[in-house]
Amino acid sequence: AQSVTQLGSHVSVSEGALVLLRCNYSSSVPPYLFWYVQYPNQGLQLLLKYTSAATLVKGINGFEAEFKKSETSFHLTKPSAHMSDAAEYFCAVSEGGWSGGSNYKLTFGKGTLLTVNP
Amino acid sequence: DAGVIQSPRHEVTEMGQEVTLRCKPISGHNSLFWYRQTMMRGLELLIYFNNNVPIDDSGMPEDRFSAKMPNASFSTLKIQPSEPRDSAVYFCASSWRLGNTGELFFGEGSRLTVL
Repeated sequence: AQSVTQLGSHVSVSEGALVLLRCNYSSSVPPYLFWYVQYPNQGLQLLLKYTSAATLVKGINGFEAEFKKSETSFHLTKPSAHMSDAAEYFCAVSEGGWSGGSNYKLTFGKGTLLTVNP
Repeated sequence: DAGVIQSPRHEVTEMGQEVTLRCKPISGHNSLFWYRQTMMRGLELLIYFNNNVPIDDSGMPEDRFSAKMPNASFSTLKIQPSEPRDSAVYFCASSWRLGNTGELFFGEGSRLTVL
């Protein structure tokens, strides 16, 4: 069964500082991995995804994530935080693409709330 | 193209009342998902449909919850009777092809408060 662990339910950074949000996954097959962002009172929006191509994935708003199979990790980073990055971030894993496409589930982590201080 | 559309955005009701949440997926998408989000449990998958057929409803908490997808452009999630512990934000999401990368497109959610 697939699962996702996000370390740290709340991360606080200063504007301009590095953002690092941690995600570790468990999967019985090579996974597809995702980061979603949720702004207050909105649905989830896709930031970026790993689908077995390049291990370093670039997403929107300057975010990127690196897939490390040996560490079963998919941490999200951004070199310089903006106030507008304040939101909740969710890591998610899917196994469906590798199972012949018969079905899939997207399993989410508990989320990490990012606060950006001026 | 319009995104996933959910209604109502907010619903306040009293315990015991029936609640119906509605979802219109993105046109052309053939997979639809209902998630529930609470502070305690995070995002939970309730049910998902492929080509209007329920594939997995193992996340539906109990018989008070039911979901239907009568056609490719409409789905409902019904709670009858509602209880205070059902208070949550309910998200509908759709995807264009099962077996794709798994990327989902979410609606803005329906915030349910049961008094």
